[in-house]
Amino acid sequence: GAGVSQSPSNKVTEKGKDVELRCDPISGHTALYWYRQSLGQGLEFLIYFQGNSAPDKSGLPSDRFSAERTGGSVSTLTIQRTQQEDSAVYLCASSLPGRGYGYTFGSGTRLTVV
Amino acid sequence: AQSVTQLDSHVSVSEGTPVLLRCNYSSSYSPSLFWYVQHPNKGLQLLLKYTSAATLVKGINGFEAEFKKSETSFHLTKPSAHMSDAAEYFCALRDDKIIFGKGTRLHILP
Repeated sequence: GAGVSQSPSNKVTEKGKDVELRCDPISGHTALYWYRQSLGQGLEFLIYFQGNSAPDKSGLPSDRFSAERTGGSVSTLTIQRTQQEDSAVYLCASSLPGRGYGYTFGSGTRLTVV
Repeated sequence: AQSVTQLDSHVSVSEGTPVLLRCNYSSSYSPSLFWYVQHPNKGLQLLLKYTSAATLVKGINGFEAEFKKSETSFHLTKPSAHMSDAAEYFCALRDDKIIFGKGTRLHILP
């Protein structure tokens, strides 16, 4: 597609429930990233996929967080047993590989855990 | 280790006056550097990037940034601020992934 698409745009869930957030990157972008932006905070790196390589999961805050990328395209970020501190905007970005390329970001999913 | 420091969390300027948003970086090699802008309730938009070509980089909406290796800086400037420039600005450095600064919120005073 023309841009990075994320769904849903907003999600309200009860504490303890599982949620899935979806990201559809730009066609041909082999690199895909998830970031989290909490109120008043900067951008926190979560996970990074590059082609068929093993993902860099070093930013995942706990084992309740996981992500997969199927067929080198669409990615799903799953948060199990959500907690109130998980409330944030979850941003997905995609890119061509290489340090000279910037990211194209999606509009994000605003997650609210009540 | 790579890092990015944005020196001001908030900057206020009057409409029509110059804008300066400061960014310093730390990198063990020649970095790729970026500035992103985020308007309220919007995603991040790439303003400009430096990738070891010209040290003065021009971006969208009249913004530009100068890479100064001796000062390890990549400050963002604009000659004349507009009300629509009010947003949060992020300086970033890319290794395999992008490392973002904590952001600078730009306020434009009428």
